[in-house]
Amino acid sequence: QVQLVQSGAELKKPGASVKVSCKTSGYTFNTYYIHWVRQAPGQGLEWMGRINPSSGATNYAPKFQDRVTMTRDTSITTAYMEVRRLRSDDTALYFCAREPGTQGSYFDYWGLATLVTVSS
Amino acid sequence: SYELTQPPSVSVSPGQTASITCSGDKLGSKYASWYQQKPGQSPAVVIYHDSKRPSGIPARFSGSNSGNTATLTISGTQAMDEADYYCQAWDSSFVFFGGGTKLTVL
Repeated sequence: QVQLVQSGAELKKPGASVKVSCKTSGYTFNTYYIHWVRQAPGQGLEWMGRINPSSGATNYAPKFQDRVTMTRDTSITTAYMEVRRLRSDDTALYFCAREPGTQGSYFDYWGLATLVTVSS
Repeated sequence: SYELTQPPSVSVSPGQTASITCSGDKLGSKYASWYQQKPGQSPAVVIYHDSKRPSGIPARFSGSNSGNTATLTISGTQAMDEADYYCQAWDSSFVFFGGGTKLTVL
């Protein structure tokens, strides 16, 4: 069965970086995009960007272009998302999600989220 | 930047029909998807490509998309359908979500 297992909760200070992992299993890693979506406490869903696990190509939401890097390690079928220069408003649940890759695609499997708390 | 607008809340009585709208410029020319999120859970797709239901999603969930508005309809709403619902669409290689609608079944 398809699984996306995310790394554990993180507590970071403002200005630090955090790297969240998303270990996938149950399908061919290279054939589905991985996206990252965040949700601040009590707020809605916010798309951050995606990575093509086959090529490593990425595209980011403009808001995150200069602070976020998405990578992958195909040998362990894991995607990563790093956020730099953390601020208090980066406190959120961070989800990875799989995209089937068809036109106008959607997210068919989601991880259980990683809570990132930014506090001094 | 592309905006998708949803009503913050919708209320429905059990057994009645709930409709949640999602508005965006020329949304009907794009594919819309809908996600259900219950407290403490990850979102789950209930409708994709405007009107398709993933396996395991009850037939009471349906969707449409035309003009500037996509609509999620839940027929015979049950208490278990109480959740937040988000629409989603693509524009210029970016993904956008609506602000979410809290569906209350009372």
